[in-house]
This record gives sequence, structure tokens and C-alpha cells, in this order.
Amino acid sequence: KQEVTQIPAALSVPEGENLVLNCSFTDSAIYNLQWFRQDPGKGLTSLLLIQSSQREQTSGRLNASLDKSSGRSTLYIAASQPGDSATYLCAVRPGAKETSGSRLTFGEGTQLTVNP
Amino acid sequence: NAGVTQTPKFQVLKTGQSMTLQCAQDMNHEYMSWYRQDPGMGLRLIHYSVGAGITDQGEVPNGYNVSRSTTEDFPLRLLSAAPSQTSVYFCASSTSDRDGYTFGSGTRLTVV
Repeated sequence: KQEVTQIPAALSVPEGENLVLNCSFTDSAIYNLQWFRQDPGKGLTSLLLIQSSQREQTSGRLNASLDKSSGRSTLYIAASQPGDSATYLCAVRPGAKETSGSRLTFGEGTQLTVNP
Repeated sequence: NAGVTQTPKFQVLKTGQSMTLQCAQDMNHEYMSWYRQDPGMGLRLIHYSVGAGITDQGEVPNGYNVSRSTTEDFPLRLLSAAPSQTSVYFCASSTSDRDGYTFGSGTRLTVV
């Protein structure tokens, strides 16, 4: 059974810092990995999608890397801002047989606070 | 495009009542899923569908029913609400195995 772990569970940093959020998964047979942002009381907003054949994806100040063989992904946030405060979730899409590709397995998230 | 639309946004039910959470998408996505989010347990898959007429159980299906009569709609039915079903429910959709998922804004359900 695929398990996804995110470390740390919570992180508090001063504004302007560069930071790294970690995601690890136990089964490397995945189609892709998706990073989401969730603000309190809100839905999930997709940030980056990395296919299993890719090593990284970038969007603005965000960079996500994927090392499928070791079961790891990192989300790098450059020059953090108070508006980046949210919970960040990673989710893997299994690439094994049957219809397993139709579901996501989530980590429990990293709660980020960026202090002014 | 409206994306994934969930209704209602909030609902309070009494134990034993039934209700349907609605989910609709206008992106012609084949794959649709229902998740529940609980503190300390993350997001867990309830039911999913890979196309109209095809549904299957996820990780926590007990107490819930689904059907997929059209590509656009994927309602989630609570048969007899229990306090353990108090949660935030999210619907999501995707085009294929290679694409990312789009999530709705959620339904916050309280069962008293």
C-alpha cells in the first residue's frame, strides 16, 4: 500500500527565507506527483504537477523536484512571503495496474507560517 | 469554465438523516473522486469513477453511495448520517492518468 509522508509537519520562518518542504512515498510506481496548497477553510489549489519521467517543475518562486527511484520530492519556495502561509500537500498518483491511476494518495501536509 | 462545483458548502444533519452532496464539473473529465478530510488523518478516498456508469470503492466507502450517470455529475449519498461522518468533503476530477487533479471548494458537513 502506498504511503506518503511529509516532513516537517509545521514550519515557521521569517519573511524572505528560502525553504524546502519534503515529501516521501513508499512505492516508486507512480504516474505523477502533485503539490497542492490549502488555505484555512478552503479547497486545494494545484501548484505543480511532475510526471514520473520528469526531474523538476518550476512555477514562479516555486520549484518541485522528483527522485522517483528514492521515493522523494521536494518543494522549494524562494524568498518566502506572508502570503505563502498555508498548508502544503503532496499527492502521488499510482501507476500500477488496473484503475489505481484514478486515485491520489496524500501526505498529511506541512503547515507553513511566514512571519512578516 | 466553472471547474469543479460542489454544493452545498455547509450542511448540518441529524443522526439518521440522509442527504446528497452534489459535484459537477464542466471540463469533460473522465475521472472523478470523492475525498474526506479529517484532522490528523489527511485526505482519504471514499469512492471514485473512471467514466460514466463506472464507479468503485476507495479507502473509506462505508456509509456512502455514488453513481455516475453522466460525465459531468458525481453525487455522493449519505444513507443514514452518523457523527463519524462529520468531515469536510472534497470532489476532484481529472482527464487521464497523466494529468493533475482539480478540486472543488469542499462541503463542510456536521452530523449532530
